[in-house]
Amino acid sequence: QLQLQESGPGLVKPSETLSLICTVSGGSIRSNNYYWGWIRQPPGKALEWIGTFHSSGSTYYSSSLKSRVTISVDTPKNQFSLNFNSVTAADTAVYYCARHGNIDNWFDPWGQGTLVTVSS
Amino acid sequence: DTQMTQSPSFVYASVGDRVTITCRASQGISTWLAWYQQKPGKAPKLLIYGASNLQSGVPSRFSGSGSGTEFTLTISSLQPEDFATYYCQQANSFPLTFGGGTKVEI
Repeated sequence: QLQLQESGPGLVKPSETLSLICTVSGGSIRSNNYYWGWIRQPPGKALEWIGTFHSSGSTYYSSSLKSRVTISVDTPKNQFSLNFNSVTAADTAVYYCARHGNIDNWFDPWGQGTLVTVSS
Repeated sequence: DTQMTQSPSFVYASVGDRVTITCRASQGISTWLAWYQQKPGKAPKLLIYGASNLQSGVPSRFSGSGSGTEFTLTISSLQPEDFATYYCQQANSFPLTFGGGTKVEI
């Protein structure tokens, strides 16, 4: 059974870089059939897709966030990561990692999510 | 970008009620639409994909319909465990986008 687990600091200072890792178990991120993505949800607000990558090297980002976001992969560790620079309080959110198909772009399964607070 | 608009934002309902939530896309997305259920403090759960296909394990009281720009999620007889927030998501093209959510409350 595929499982995803987010990890990283729960508190980041304004203007610094937010870095999270998603560890995948029960399946390989090298699969050609799937994309791996990040989604976030500010407290009390809606879901927002951040970006997605494929093992082929293809990467897609949200139009509004792409100037600050990088998604990368560590294949031997079966992990992928999110780096989000120049954060502000508006980036405070629960961050989720999830898998979607390479044609059917719906997310399943999801990680449990990790809350990141941006504050000095 | 394809904008997704859900309505209503809140639904006040009772156990046994029939509930319908609408999702509209700013451009045609065929049937590339998913619905998710999210309970407080939990990750979203995929309910319906391809606009009308029930994810494995999801009760049959949930159904989805629509194509193009207008879609609906229907709960035929609301159960206590269905009180949650529901999101639609277009899966037609990048950037992927979600609706604003509909909270189903007692």
